Amino acid sequence: LAKTTQPISMDSYEGQEVNITCSHNNIATNDYITWYQQFPSQGPRFIIQGYKTKVTNEVASLFIPADRKSSTLSLPRVSLSDTAVYYCLVAPGMDSSYKLIFGSGTRLLVRP
Amino acid sequence: GAVVSQHPSWVICKSGTSVKIECRSLDFQATTMFWYRQFPKQSLMLMATSNEGSKATYEQGVEKDKFLINHASLTLSTLTVTSAHPEDSSFYICSARGGEAEKLFFGSGTQLSVL
Repeated sequence: LAKTTQPISMDSYEGQEVNITCSHNNIATNDYITWYQQFPSQGPRFIIQGYKTKVTNEVASLFIPADRKSSTLSLPRVSLSDTAVYYCLVAPGMDSSYKLIFGSGTRLLVRP
Repeated sequence: GAVVSQHPSWVICKSGTSVKIECRSLDFQATTMFWYRQFPKQSLMLMATSNEGSKATYEQGVEKDKFLINHASLTLSTLTVTSAHPEDSSFYICSARGGEAEKLFFGSGTQLSVL
C-alpha cells in the first residue's frame, strides 16, 4: 500500500491559486493518483485522476513529475465554496477489489 | 459521472436496536463496494470490502457480527449495525468501484446517532 503524506491544513484567499502537494514515495508502477474533495457531512467527491505528467479538467489540474513520487493538485482561483478537505490516494487503476485507504487529508480554508 | 445512492442520510435510534443502511450504484454495476466510517474531523476509516455474492472482508478491529454487510446484487450493498450503542454513532459512507475507468464513487453518507 502506497502511503501518502499531505499538509494537514492550508489557508488561502478568494481568487488565489492553491497548490496542494502529496508525497507518495512508494508508489507502484501500476498505481494511479486520485484526488477527492470532501465537505462536512458528505461523501468524498472525485476531483481528478492521473498517472503521469499533467492532467487538467474543468475544476483542477494535477501535476505529476517524472519520478511520480509526488503530485500536486492545483485549484485555480479558489472561492469560499472550495473550503473542504482534500485527499490524495494512490491505487492500481483497474483492480476493482483494491481497497482505498485514506490518509489524513488537507483541510483547505478559503478566506474572503 | 456515475452515481452512488446511500440511504438514509441520517438516522436516530435507541440503544440496542439495529439500523440498516443501503448503498446502491444507480447507473453502473459494482462488483466491489466499500464501507467506511468517519468520526468528526477525522479521516475515513475503511471498515470492510464487500464483493457481490460472497462474504465481506473486514478490516482489523471491525466486528463482523456487529456490522453485518450483505452484497446481494451488483447494484446493492447493505450495512446493518446490530445492537447499536452510543459509541457506534458516526458518519458511515459507502463507495462503489465501477463505471468509467473503474473509478471509485462515494455515497452521500449516513449520520447515525444512537441515543
